[in-house]
Amino acid sequence: AQTVTQSQPEMSVQEAETVTLSCTYDTSESDYYLFWYKQPPSRQMILVIRQEAYKQQNATENRFSVNFQKAAKSFSLKISDSQLGDAAMYFCAYRSLRDSGGSNYKLTFGKGTLLTVNP
Amino acid sequence: KAGVTQTPRYLIKTRGQQVTLSCSPISGHRSVSWYQQTPGQGLQFLFEYFSETQRNKGNFPGRFSGRQFSNSRSEMNVSTLELGDSALYLCASSLSGGKGGELFFGEGSRLTVL
Repeated sequence: AQTVTQSQPEMSVQEAETVTLSCTYDTSESDYYLFWYKQPPSRQMILVIRQEAYKQQNATENRFSVNFQKAAKSFSLKISDSQLGDAAMYFCAYRSLRDSGGSNYKLTFGKGTLLTVNP
Repeated sequence: KAGVTQTPRYLIKTRGQQVTLSCSPISGHRSVSWYQQTPGQGLQFLFEYFSETQRNKGNFPGRFSGRQFSNSRSEMNVSTLELGDSALYLCASSLSGGKGGELFFGEGSRLTVL
């Protein structure tokens, strides 16, 4: 079974600075998707960024980018020019691409990192 | 376009009771997934439905069940509630549910079991 580990329960960053959230995962599969989700205090989870494992190029979405190291099974999220609205719980998640047993229909989440942005 | 709607948002039950939670997906989405979120265990997958069929189920006891209707709306039921069932229950919808399809989450139903 796949596991996702986020080793930083809490992180803080000054407004306009850059912060990196860590995520490692364990899998024996070669094809999969990785995601970062954001859960603000309102509780609605929002997709921040997505990475396909077969793509070597790191995904980027505006101020959000990832450092995907497939061999190391590492998937960190970098937030540049942090804003107050970035304060939230961030979850790293894994999705299998295998069809057997419906395994590609679920996300496996890490425990999350609570990000605080200081003005 | 309306988002994923979950009802009720908050509810309090006592041990031994049962509860039914409802989820209306985004229009056109046929896949609905349910997740349980607790401080201790984090987010755990409960089950996923597509076109009224359960395609995958997480490692939860049989007290947790779900179903999906022909209009893609979904319900989950927890019978014989235990204190440990207190959690935020999140529903997510997507077009097909698989591969890299983005999940759109609702705001959740906060269940407290006394």
